Amino acid sequence: QVQLQESGPGLVKPSETLSLTCSVSGTSISSDYWSWVRQPPGKGLEWIGYIYHSGTISYNTSLKSRVTTSVDTSKNQFSLNLRSVTAADTAVYYCVKGGKEWLRTWGQGILVTVSS
Amino acid sequence: DIVMTQSPGSLAVSLGERATINCKSSQSILYSSNNKNYLAWYQQKPGQPPKLLIYWASTRESGVPDRFSGSGSGTDFTLTISSLQAEDVAVYYCQQYYSTPLGFGPGTKVDIK
Repeated sequence: QVQLQESGPGLVKPSETLSLTCSVSGTSISSDYWSWVRQPPGKGLEWIGYIYHSGTISYNTSLKSRVTTSVDTSKNQFSLNLRSVTAADTAVYYCVKGGKEWLRTWGQGILVTVSS
Repeated sequence: DIVMTQSPGSLAVSLGERATINCKSSQSILYSSNNKNYLAWYQQKPGQPPKLLIYWASTRESGVPDRFSGSGSGTDFTLTISSLQAEDVAVYYCQQYYSTPLGFGPGTKVDIK
């Protein structure tokens, strides 16, 4: 059974970098594309981007200038860095298996609040 | 970027009645080489991550009750819940995967009347 678990700080200061890690179990990180999706409180879903273990990446045009993702195959994890955050980046961040097609398996999500 | 819209924004349906949600893409998401529509539907209940219901516009995910069905082609799609159950109260999203950036509709909230 494939499981994903997000981890990272729940509070980030404005202008700093939001860093999250997704730990994958039940399958190899080399098996698929891996995405990040976020959801501001009470709002809809926004795809942030995906990464493949080979290094292939794609980011949402709205966030492209601030986003970096990476994969650690030795730890079966992938990560998200979002730079220069503002209050508008406050959201539940989900890591998700998939990205080229439908998004089948989601983590439970982690709420990240941007506040001083 | 392909923009997804949904209607209505919310609806209330009596238990056992039909619920219909519409989704529209700003350009066709039908890939001519395989005649497949690159559209998925998700259900999200409060405090939970989204759950995949349907992909390829009409293929039900394993374990999803057959009261959920998807239809449509090109730019216009529909999710139908044939007989609403109490556990179907949720927000429903459509999503295109025809091209990046992947895009979601704004969601449709379904409640019991």
